Parts: sequence; C-alpha cells; structure tokens
Amino acid sequence: NAGVTQTPKFQVLKTGQSMTLQCAQDMNHEYMSWYRQDPGMGLRLIHYSVGAGITDQGEVPNGYNVSRSTTEDFPLRLLSAAPSQTSVYFCASSGEYTIYFGEGSWLTVV
Amino acid sequence: GNSVTQMEGPVTLSEEAFLTINCTYTATGYPSLFWYVQYPGEGLQLLLKATKADDKGSNKGFEATYRKETTSFHLEKGSVQVSDSAVYFCALRRNTGNQFYFGTGTSLTVIP
Repeated sequence: NAGVTQTPKFQVLKTGQSMTLQCAQDMNHEYMSWYRQDPGMGLRLIHYSVGAGITDQGEVPNGYNVSRSTTEDFPLRLLSAAPSQTSVYFCASSGEYTIYFGEGSWLTVV
Repeated sequence: GNSVTQMEGPVTLSEEAFLTINCTYTATGYPSLFWYVQYPGEGLQLLLKATKADDKGSNKGFEATYRKETTSFHLEKGSVQVSDSAVYFCALRRNTGNQFYFGTGTSLTVIP
C-alpha cells in the first residue's frame, strides 16, 4: 500500500527560485493538507483542501501556493524561495478517523 | 478555538523507566484524540487514538485515556525501551470535518 507519496525527499534551492513539492495519495481521501515542521514549533498547517477544486489557507500560507485538480494529487508550490522556508515539509491525507503522512521533504534554501 | 498543549521536552529516561507525557486540549464539541510518533528521519505514524470520552487507546505498550472532565489525553508506558526514542505528538480532530490540530511534540530519548 503506497498511502501518501511525496517527492522529492531532499532539495536545495537558491533564494528566489521556485519549485513544486509533489504529493499523491491512493486512499481516495477528500481531505489533504501540507505542514511544515520546524524545531520547537511542531507542525504548522500551510494549506489544506477538502476536495478537488477546493483549497484554503492554514496557519502559515504566505509564500506558498496549492491547487487540487484531482482527488489524488495536492502539489505545494514555493513561488520565490526564501531562507525562512528552510524546513521539513509533510503532506498528509485524512480519512474518517485518522491522518496519514508522507515521509517528508527536507528543503534547504541558501 | 481548537488547540493542543503538550509537555515541553526533551525527556530523557533510563531503559525500563515509567513514561508520562502530558497532553491537554481545547476544543469545541467532542473531538477525537490521537498520539502520533515520529522516528528520526521519518514521517509521523499513528500510535493510538480515542474517539470519545473515557475511551482508552493502546498500542505497543503505550496507553492514553480520553478524560473529558480534565480535557486531557496523557500518554503512558510502564517500561520504556531504547527503541521508543522518538518525538511524540498529541493531536485532536474536530468532530466536524477532517482538520487536525497538533501539539508541538515531545522528544523522548531512552538510554540503556
């Protein structure tokens, strides 16, 4: 069972570059989300989606963009990378009673 | 609003010691409560859950009881092992919709 698959696992970007973190789930969940994890700050919600075509902002949306064209895919775009976006990013997919996470993407912006 | 507060870490214990990680929550309605575990370099995995008051979730020797009267969901284990070293997250899910709220995580290190 694949569950939640996110890529890439590691990425180094230069300030000002753009990139997309890919996320796919095979559980037919309507709800998907993106979090960032920083030391001492736990998980912070960036954006979420309650279904194809519907997205909304979470706690820390600035500098990120999302779209949801299909139930399976929920990519996260960094529009113009900044060093403050150096973090570990997790995609998640929620079923009725629990949330499933991808393995994480380690992003460094230099 | 909805929020989760868990004890600050890091926590360091000797093997076979008793573990308690405190978690309290604020929520509207009747949320479901969860503990997730994150091993180094990995994503979060579900450890246990409880969906209503007085339920006890348990897995791998860990337990937590949903206490509505104290709005708490403390994680306990009677005898920790080195392999339990990880970061533990308390979380709640609202009773409407699928949005989750996470605590800041508690790092546990178990030494032989």
